[in-house]
Amino acid sequence: AQTVTQSQPEMSVQEAETVTLSCTYDTSENNYYLFWYKQPPSRQMILVIRQEAYKQQNATENRFSVNFQKAAKSFSLKISDSQLGDTAMYFCAFWVRRDDKIIFGKGTRLHILP
Amino acid sequence: AAGVIQSPRHLIKEKRETATLKCYPIPRHDTVYWYQQGPGQDPQFLISFYEKMQSDKGSIPDRFSAQQFSDYHSELNMSSLELGDSALYFCASSLGQVSSYEQYFGPGTRLTVT
Repeated sequence: AQTVTQSQPEMSVQEAETVTLSCTYDTSENNYYLFWYKQPPSRQMILVIRQEAYKQQNATENRFSVNFQKAAKSFSLKISDSQLGDTAMYFCAFWVRRDDKIIFGKGTRLHILP
Repeated sequence: AAGVIQSPRHLIKEKRETATLKCYPIPRHDTVYWYQQGPGQDPQFLISFYEKMQSDKGSIPDRFSAQQFSDYHSELNMSSLELGDSALYFCASSLGQVSSYEQYFGPGTRLTVT
């Protein structure tokens, strides 16, 4: 069974600082995708970044980047120059072709402090 | 760009009543997924449809049923509602089996059972 683990239930950082959210996963599959989703107070589910397992290069999207360690099954999210609008719940998630559904971790609640 | 539309956005029902949630996928998307997110929880997969056929089923109670129609919209029918059914229900859509990892989430329907 596929599992996603986020070990940090809650984090707080000062505005403009850099923060890293941790995520580990477990699978025996080779063809899969990893995601970070942001869920602000509006509760909309917003895709932040996506990583394809067969790509060694870490994905980046502006201030957001990942550190994908396939052998360690680790997928952390780094937010640089954090902004107040980054305050949200962040879910690490996983998709494998065989199951074709997204499996979410328990989430990390991130507070950006002014 | 057109997004996934869900209606209603908010719904209040009493115990033992019936509710119907609707989902309109992004145009040309032929796959629909339903997820349930309880208070303080991560989203959990309920059911999915591809080309109007059920393709996968998760932890969906027998009291729930769903279908996808010829125009690809989907409806989630929930009967004999219980307090524990109070949750945010997301619909997501994707384009076929080729890029089903790329699921676009709707804004969700917040169901409150009293």
